[in-house]
Amino acid sequence: GAGVSQSPSNKVTEKGKDVELRCDPISGHTALYWYRQSLGQGLEFLIYFQGNSAPDKSGLPSDRFSAERTGGSVSTLTIQRTQQEDSAVYLCASSPTRPGPETQYFGPGTRLLVL
Amino acid sequence: AQSVTQLDSQVPVFEEAPVELRCNYSSSVSVYLFWYVQYPNQGLQLLLKYLSGSTLVKGINGFEAEFNKSQTSFHLRKPSVHISDTAEYFCAVTLLIKAAGNKLTFGGGTRVLVKP
Repeated sequence: GAGVSQSPSNKVTEKGKDVELRCDPISGHTALYWYRQSLGQGLEFLIYFQGNSAPDKSGLPSDRFSAERTGGSVSTLTIQRTQQEDSAVYLCASSPTRPGPETQYFGPGTRLLVL
Repeated sequence: AQSVTQLDSQVPVFEEAPVELRCNYSSSVSVYLFWYVQYPNQGLQLLLKYLSGSTLVKGINGFEAEFNKSQTSFHLRKPSVHISDTAEYFCAVTLLIKAAGNKLTFGGGTRVLVKP
């Protein structure tokens, strides 16, 4: 079946502009995660969704970052007033929710470059 | 808070030779452990995971890892590597906290370069 998809695959933007990154999880997966992969910070957790709610937003680096999920499916990560330090690969992962830690399935990522 | 340390940032290895990637973790509570692989320009793919039970875990592509609680380690091994194993490997941990899901804490990654 289809895996996790993300769009766009690449995004180049100018400093100060807003960007939206999209994630389509695997159908039926109730849990959705956003991570960021950058040269300086490695792979770091941003936010976790269970259904449409976000019980853990602890990884969002500033109030310029926000995310939503609608219909228990698609999620959008928005970065307002982008800065050069936001340049990174943004990865989305989804998993089913069952007792115990489930495997997270990752998308290919969106590579963001802020000029 | 938990943390993960991958002791080697790069590991060059010849084809058909064995490889070991080291991973140590720190946590005040029990964790679950994972190894993921990332091929160039791709997302992460699960190699194997340890949840409980036997401390020797076998994964895909001939990889295995051993959980050592006393040494807080979860080293990854493969007895004979192929060129196609060239990739970056990430060790990760998660706590089972229902309200927080299973967010992963990753190590810094180990880049494996298999030489012919």
